[in-house]
Amino acid sequence: AQTVTQSQPEMSVQEAETVTLSCTYDTSENNYYLFWYKQPPSRQMILVIRQEAYKQQNATENRFSVNFQKAAKSFSLKISDSQLGDTAMYFCAFMKSFNAGGTSYGKLTFGQGTILTVHP
Amino acid sequence: NAGVTQTPKFQVLKTGQSMTLQCAQDMNHNSMYWYRQDPGMGLRLIYYSASEGTTDKGEVPNGYNVSRLNKREFSLRLESAAPSQTSVYFCASNLRRGYGYTFGSGTRLTVV
Repeated sequence: AQTVTQSQPEMSVQEAETVTLSCTYDTSENNYYLFWYKQPPSRQMILVIRQEAYKQQNATENRFSVNFQKAAKSFSLKISDSQLGDTAMYFCAFMKSFNAGGTSYGKLTFGQGTILTVHP
Repeated sequence: NAGVTQTPKFQVLKTGQSMTLQCAQDMNHNSMYWYRQDPGMGLRLIYYSASEGTTDKGEVPNGYNVSRLNKREFSLRLESAAPSQTSVYFCASNLRRGYGYTFGSGTRLTVV
């Protein structure tokens, strides 16, 4: 079974600065997908960024980027120019892919989450 | 653009009562999932439906049942609620492997 570990229960950063959230995972799979989700106080789960394991290039979405180290099984999230609206719980997630009856699907396994607070 | 709609948003149950959490998506997604979120444990998979007509157990299925009523709807039933089932429940869907999930807004359930 896959496991995802986020070793930082809480982080804080000043507005406009850069912060990096850590994530490691354990798997014997070679093809998989990795995600970061954001959960603000509203409770809504919002997809931040996605990485395909077979792509060496790190994914980037505006101020959000990842450092994907496949051999080390590490997948960190860097938030640049932090904003007050970035305050949220962040979850790292691993997706293993399956095929069943002609349907492909993926099951997400989540880490424990990191609470990020951005201070003005 | 409704996405994934979950009802109710909040519920309080007494131990031993039953209830059904409803979930519907309007994105023509094939796969649907139920997760529970507990402090310090992230989200854990309860049940999933890879496609219409199929359901399967996830990591923490005990005490729950599901029904994939059609392609749009996937319900979660608690037959006899227990305090250990106090949690926030999320329904999610996705089109196929490799795609991120779209989540509903969650149901906060308290069992007293």
